Amino acid sequence: DVKVTQSSRYLVKRTGEKVFLECVQDMDHENMFWYRQDPGLGLRLIYFSYDVKMKEKGDIPEGYSVSREKKERFSLILESASTNQTSMYLCASSRGTVWREPQHFGDGTRLSIL
Amino acid sequence: GENVEQHPSTLSVQEGDSAVIKCTYSDSASNYFPWYKQELGKRPQLIIDIRSNVGEKKDQRIAVTLNKTAKHFSLHITETQPEDSAVYFCAANFGNEKLTFGTGTRLTIIP
Repeated sequence: DVKVTQSSRYLVKRTGEKVFLECVQDMDHENMFWYRQDPGLGLRLIYFSYDVKMKEKGDIPEGYSVSREKKERFSLILESASTNQTSMYLCASSRGTVWREPQHFGDGTRLSIL
Repeated sequence: GENVEQHPSTLSVQEGDSAVIKCTYSDSASNYFPWYKQELGKRPQLIIDIRSNVGEKKDQRIAVTLNKTAKHFSLHITETQPEDSAVYFCAANFGNEKLTFGTGTRLTIIP
């Protein structure tokens, strides 16, 4: 069974802080994703990575960056946290094949920026 | 642009009745359409998916239909049960591995 683990379920930070959200998957998946989930807006893609050290912007990358130094780990970084980044953050991973594969999600990190 | 519209946003059905959720997508090149169920406080979980080479797929009480010409796909749940209450998301791929999600449907099953 695929396991996607996010480092924290709940996190509280201050405006202006640099925030790191970590995600690890144990299925040797090529692709990893970061989403934010807000009521009424569904899941919006922030960044994704299809290989180590590779990254692509999603729909809402402003104010975020990512790092993928190892295949199993994908980090989301809020360079200078702001209150409008208070949200639920979901990490996902999938196999990279020509024939599309399902994404598997972690439990999410509920981040509050005060 | 890449867009997935999902309707309705909320749906209440009597236990035992059927529920239908509909989604439309904008890119005719999309070829993968998963559906996720998210129970309160839990992660989204894949319940069924369909690829563009088939028009319908069933798994027990759940079915998905795809109309490529009209660019829409639907989730059908029959004989609904209280445990079907959740938020359901449709999605479609655009280009590479990226999925764009609908805004979700909150389904409530009334006992």
